[in-house]
Amino acid sequence: DAGITQSPRHKVTETGTPVTLRCHQTENHRYMYWYRQDPGHGLRLIHYSYGVKDTDKGEVSDGYSVSRSKTEDFLLTLESATSSQTSVYFCAIGRGDGAYEQYFGPGTRLTVT
Amino acid sequence: AQKVTQAQTEISVVEKEDVTLDCVYETRDTTYYLFWYKQPPSGELVFLIRRNSFDEQNEISGRYSWNFQKSTSSFNFTITASQVVDSAVYFCALSDSGGSNYKLTFGKGTLLTVNP
Repeated sequence: DAGITQSPRHKVTETGTPVTLRCHQTENHRYMYWYRQDPGHGLRLIHYSYGVKDTDKGEVSDGYSVSRSKTEDFLLTLESATSSQTSVYFCAIGRGDGAYEQYFGPGTRLTVT
Repeated sequence: AQKVTQAQTEISVVEKEDVTLDCVYETRDTTYYLFWYKQPPSGELVFLIRRNSFDEQNEISGRYSWNFQKSTSSFNFTITASQVVDSAVYFCALSDSGGSNYKLTFGKGTLLTVNP
């Protein structure tokens, strides 16, 4: 158990509304990541963080923003949700010594109607 | 840019058969790391193995084995005597060294179905 929780686990929202997903870790790891999983695409990196207030974009960052004000929490915000953002969102922490292995949270299933 | 290709989209086998999942990667880095993850029908992502680019020794863990060949840029995964519980989507992934903050590039996954 990597000590990662995600909330909410399921959410249905309407197009145009802002949505925030939360990732919480209990192990004080420096690296945290947000991915989305879609059929036929595998997992794609949205944003990541390498420390408090240190974040950067991934492969599919358009329409998303992140914040990390404390080590244990990494928030992903969809500024104005669109149907194309319907997906399963996974948070991961990087754990290890020199070669960070990523361990994933349980995922959040988001549906934008 | 990094790339991971899992050419097998779906594989179906009968229980007790051996099955190999293929993974081919592309990277310009000399130091990199390769991973396999399992995603069972319940949806969670389970870490299986990490292999460093400088260590080509193959690894065996119970019924699982991994064959890393730098010469062909492949990191294949074999399940011996498959079981129904092995049914899952399996992802191969690649990360570079710390220069890019260990970001993972995933293949699109192989759906393995083991039939009784």
